[in-house]
Amino acid sequence: NAGVTQTPKFRVLKTGQSMTLLCAQDMNHEYMYWYRQDPGMGLRLIHYSVGEGTTAKGEVPDGYNVSRLKKQNFLLGLESAAPSQTSVYFCSSRPGTSGNYEQYFGPGTRLTVT
Amino acid sequence: AQRVTQPEKLLSVFKGAPVELKCNYSYSGSPELFWYVQYSRQRLQLLLRHISRESIKGFTADLNKGETSFHLKKPFAQEEDSAMYYCALGYSSASKIIFGSGTRLSIRP
Repeated sequence: NAGVTQTPKFRVLKTGQSMTLLCAQDMNHEYMYWYRQDPGMGLRLIHYSVGEGTTAKGEVPDGYNVSRLKKQNFLLGLESAAPSQTSVYFCSSRPGTSGNYEQYFGPGTRLTVT
Repeated sequence: AQRVTQPEKLLSVFKGAPVELKCNYSYSGSPELFWYVQYSRQRLQLLLRHISRESIKGFTADLNKGETSFHLKKPFAQEEDSAMYYCALGYSSASKIIFGSGTRLSIRP
């Protein structure tokens, strides 16, 4: 099993450009999450999904959109990138079964917006 | 609002000394609490969850609902414990999981 994978690993964008980050998991997990990691601020939840076709806002959703068309994939979109979105983005997934809350994380995507 | 606070950005202790990483949370319901660790160049991984009451790599954490705390402790630090540690809170039936700002633990030889 590959676990949780993220594509791309690195990206540099110009202000105003758009891009999509892909998160894929092969563990048949129900729940998936997108976080951003910034120095001194830890991980902040952007959006999450509790199942195929569902999405919900996290702590810092503005400027991002997500989609979960397939259970194994969770896409994070930036429609018009801003320098404030320079960050490391982490995706995670976990089973939906009650009591099993361990999240499995991807390796991260380092995004720089100039 | 739900919140996780880790007051120390950096904690530096000598090898063999006790370690305590502080975590306080804000949530009126029944919390699900976790400690995650990120070693250098590795992915975030689960270290402990309060519900299992286990000891992993010598670390323990006890949920204190009165003080709304979930501090991580280890009696004798080892050099390989150097890492970034995050406390996390699960709520809304644990569908939503938020993290604190993290504490970097540095173990001096």
